[in-house]
Amino acid sequence: GQSLEQPSEVTAVEGAIVQINCTYQTSGFYGLSWYQQHDGGAPTFLSYNALDGLEETGRFSSFLSRSDSYGYLLLQELQMKDSASYFCAATDSWGKLQFGAGTQVVVTP
Amino acid sequence: EAQVTQNPRYLITVTGKKLTVTCSQNMNHEYMSWYRQDPGLGLRQIYYSMNVEVTDKGDVPEGYKVSRKEKRNFPLILESPSPNQTSLYFCASSLSSRDISYEQYFGPGTRLTVT
Repeated sequence: GQSLEQPSEVTAVEGAIVQINCTYQTSGFYGLSWYQQHDGGAPTFLSYNALDGLEETGRFSSFLSRSDSYGYLLLQELQMKDSASYFCAATDSWGKLQFGAGTQVVVTP
Repeated sequence: EAQVTQNPRYLITVTGKKLTVTCSQNMNHEYMSWYRQDPGLGLRQIYYSMNVEVTDKGDVPEGYKVSRKEKRNFPLILESPSPNQTSLYFCASSLSSRDISYEQYFGPGTRLTVT
């Protein structure tokens, strides 16, 4: 099985940079993905890493280190609309997906 | 419009009364999955399906059944619902479980209350 750890809450001001860390314990680990969820909404896909390194998509970047069983999501130039919950999710070789408990990001003016 | 639909969106039912939550996608996706979301626990996978007639248990399959008779539909069945199945349920699909992007598209969610 797998388990994932991520901080429960992060607070930052508009324009700042936030890093959300995610550590995982895995068997048959395949890749790490990130999702955003606003209150009352469905999760939406942000990024995916199957290989070590950094993936950049606009203001959001995601990083994976397989040797450290660790990844992070970097949110740059924070905007008020970025206030949401962010989930890391690990996929195994058999197609099973496991999510972390989520990180609530609060952006203040 | 490419989408995942779920019905019903809201449901209040009583213990033991069988119910089905439907899920349908129009993107010809191979992979489909059901999750439940409870406060503080994130999303937990109930069942997933790699393709038609292929289903596997996720982390919390007890009390649920699924079937995948056709590619677009993946209904979730609760044969005898209990109050601990009160939750927010999401259906999701992705192009393939072997797709490098692993991007999952989520339905709008079904809020189920079992009394």
